Amino acid sequence: AQTVTQSQPEMSVQEAETVTLSCTYDTSENNYYLFWYKQPPSRQMILVIRQEAYKQQNATENRFSVNFQKAAKSFSLKISDSQLGDTAMYFCAFMRRTGKLIFGQGTTLQVKP
Amino acid sequence: GAGVSQSPRYKVTKRGQDVALRCDPISGHVSLYWYRQALGQGPEFLTYFNYEAQQDKSGLPNDRFSAERPEGSISTLTIQRTEQRDSAMYRCASRSTALTDTQYFGPGTRLTVL
Repeated sequence: AQTVTQSQPEMSVQEAETVTLSCTYDTSENNYYLFWYKQPPSRQMILVIRQEAYKQQNATENRFSVNFQKAAKSFSLKISDSQLGDTAMYFCAFMRRTGKLIFGQGTTLQVKP
Repeated sequence: GAGVSQSPRYKVTKRGQDVALRCDPISGHVSLYWYRQALGQGPEFLTYFNYEAQQDKSGLPNDRFSAERPEGSISTLTIQRTEQRDSAMYRCASRSTALTDTQYFGPGTRLTVL
């Protein structure tokens, strides 16, 4: 069975600084997708970034980028130039081709002014 | 519609009552997923549909939980004889085809069982 582990329950960063959230996963599959979702206090689920496992190039979306290490089964999220609006809980998720998402436990990120 | 909608947004019920939670996916989306999220934790998969066919219900906790999507669009998650441990946020998500990657989540239904 697939598992997703986020080992940092809470993190904080100063506004305008850079922060990296860690995620590791376990799977025997070769083709899959990885995601980072943001959940602000409103508890919406907002897609931040996605990565296809067969692509070696790391995904980037504006201030958000990932470091995808397939052999190590690691998928970390880097947030550059942190903003107060980035304060949220962040979930790493693994998806098989069926679309079933498996989420990690989440990391609560606090951006401080 | 413009996005995934769910109703009701909040539901308070007494233990032993049945509840029905509704999900209206993005128009034309083939796949629909149900998840449950306890406070402070990540969502957990319950079940999913492609069109009207339920493909996987391995995440449903027990036989009090059921789901349907009779016309391949709106879906209903039903919990019979609710228990306090059923209190959680219930989320629905849809994706355009069975092969695309991105799931779009609805706002969720917060269920409280007294």
